[in-house]
Amino acid sequence: SYEVTQPLSVSVALGQTARITCGGNNIGRKNVHWYQQKPGQAPVLVIYRDSHRPSGIPERFSGSNSGNTATLTISRAQAGDEADYYCQVWDSRIVVFGGGTKLTVL
Amino acid sequence: QVQLQESGPGLVKPSETLSLTCTVSGGSISSYYWSWIRQPPGKGLEWIGYIYYSGSTNYNPSLKSRVTVSVDTSKNQFSLKLSSVTAADTAVYYCTRGGPGDPLDYWGQGTLVTVSS
Repeated sequence: SYEVTQPLSVSVALGQTARITCGGNNIGRKNVHWYQQKPGQAPVLVIYRDSHRPSGIPERFSGSNSGNTATLTISRAQAGDEADYYCQVWDSRIVVFGGGTKLTVL
Repeated sequence: QVQLQESGPGLVKPSETLSLTCTVSGGSISSYYWSWIRQPPGKGLEWIGYIYYSGSTNYNPSLKSRVTVSVDTSKNQFSLKLSSVTAADTAVYYCTRGGPGDPLDYWGQGTLVTVSS
């Protein structure tokens, strides 16, 4: 079965750029979706199909996907961006989630 | 704006069947796929399965033997049944919209189901 791997945690200084990776075999051939989950809340879609932002998501959130790594980039990080982030792909009509990355804004 | 709301018992006894319903409002359940996701306390997200409005389904292989997802288009609802539950099935259960290739773009608020005697 297909697996995707995320770092357990990423730290970023306030106002700097955070990058969260999602690794998988030839993941660049798949569409990657990213979700933000704050404590006690449901996940929210922040990037879909590698690099598209849903309505209402700030331009500070961007995504890329190539080779074996997809990346969620958060520019000018704010305290409100502290959350868990999950990448997700479909593989043979099955959802595969990464294990999640806890983003800490220092 | 599409909204999803989970409903069902918050406490289920071991070996019994967990049953949840998701009510979709602000849009039709037709022409879309609908999924169930769960999250054990302090852990990550796990996909349970999806259903198309026409009734076709696909399930997580690790849960397939215990899961049934059904749809009632007349009520704009879809449902989850998970049989023979154990403490390992204790989780927040979310209903979402999304199917093969698509993002899970709308989520319910989630409902905590505890398996305990």
